[in-house]
Amino acid sequence: EVRLVESGGGAVRPGGSLTLSCEASGFMFDDYDMSWVRQAPGKGLEWVSAINWNGASIAYADSVKGRFTISRDNARNSLYLQLSSLRAEDTALYYCTRGAYYDILRAVYYYYMDVWGQGTTVTVSS
Amino acid sequence: QSALTQPRSVSGSPGQSVTISCTGTSSDVGNYNSVSWYQQLPGKAPKLMIYDVDQRPSGVPDRFSGSKTGNTASLTISGLQAEDEADYFCCSFAGTYTYVFGLGTKVTVL
Repeated sequence: EVRLVESGGGAVRPGGSLTLSCEASGFMFDDYDMSWVRQAPGKGLEWVSAINWNGASIAYADSVKGRFTISRDNARNSLYLQLSSLRAEDTALYYCTRGAYYDILRAVYYYYMDVWGQGTTVTVSS
Repeated sequence: QSALTQPRSVSGSPGQSVTISCTGTSSDVGNYNSVSWYQQLPGKAPKLMIYDVDQRPSGVPDRFSGSKTGNTASLTISGLQAEDEADYFCCSFAGTYTYVFGLGTKVTVL
């Protein structure tokens, strides 16, 4: 079964830090790019960050650039997101998602998120 | 990185069709055929319904279809059913590993 399981969420003070983890199973982890997507309470989805299959290429949303750091460990089938200088507006459910995939046979890159974890909640409050 | 524009809500009776629009710019929706749509039931993680504008993943009913013209993509649900009541989000690849989501549309089955 293809699965993503997030952990590491919690309550933190403004200005604090936290590290989220995502453990993947059921598929070849290093065949895929991965992304973090968040959802504030009662709000829509916001793409946060993406990392390519080998960690060489990374992108961030403007809202988190300079404060969040994405990384991966393919040997451990794991994705991470380090959150620092946290603000109240970072309060959200953070989803780990399986992202882009390059089909070698068709020489086509597919850009979508086809597997989602259940999310881990980050609450930033004084 | 401005959010894609979606109507806040749409509604229809069982059996009817509804269409959700998703408007972006020439830097995202208009520049890539990598628009995807996600269904989110209350308290659940989003589920991929359409990718690459009009492709359905295995297991998604064929009453869900997608299209795109210029900077606007659309999701149509034909033969609306009670279980289709959910929030729907569009998403576009925006280049260099970046993505942008729409604000979401609540579909209500009357």
